Amino acid sequence: EPEVTQTPSHQVTQMGQEVILRCVPISNHLYFYWYRQILGQKVEFLVSFYNNEISEKSEIFDDQFSVERPDGSNFTLKIRSTKLEDSAMYFCASSLRWRNEQFFGPGTRLTVL
Amino acid sequence: EDQVTQSPEALRLQEGESSSLNCSYTVSGLRGLFWYRQDPGKGPEFLFTLYSAGEEKEKERLKATLTKKESFLHITAPKPEDSATYLCAVHFTQGGSEKLVFGKGTKLTVNP
Repeated sequence: EPEVTQTPSHQVTQMGQEVILRCVPISNHLYFYWYRQILGQKVEFLVSFYNNEISEKSEIFDDQFSVERPDGSNFTLKIRSTKLEDSAMYFCASSLRWRNEQFFGPGTRLTVL
Repeated sequence: EDQVTQSPEALRLQEGESSSLNCSYTVSGLRGLFWYRQDPGKGPEFLFTLYSAGEEKEKERLKATLTKKESFLHITAPKPEDSATYLCAVHFTQGGSEKLVFGKGTKLTVNP
């Protein structure tokens, strides 16, 4: 069964450093998303991506964040200058139809020290 | 005020003891309501999408229903493997843009 994969599973970084979180969505899916979940809190939408451009973003997704689909398979989330409050689990998801039946990856746990 | 509220926060059931989880929402312009299951340390797993009041979806021991202000996830004769956190998420339009808001989830424990 096809699945969304994410690397790394855990990333530890120093405050102010740049990080890139990587995702490989399901191959025939058209829509791609990033979410985050701070420990013990609810899942929060960050951004959606379709046809090589951002289709929606939340208030959380400020200028420190960017997304890219550099080739036909990878989907990345970059945080330019990490803050302590960026520590969270980051989930990538993909879907064939807009917003519907999203398949989530296992997540990357980001720890900012 | 939270736009999406799930209750109860936690629920313990005996195997075979049926119950319901609630997701209430205060938003207008509903585009869809989603139910997910999340196991510890994993990403959410899609269960159902509901679009309009009166709609029902079923999958094995789970049945999701939707009214104008809330959704229920009914669990019939649950088994220990149904233990997980169940999340609902509401997709809606507000001020000309689309938003997706998750509830905090209901942690379900089914004891054998």
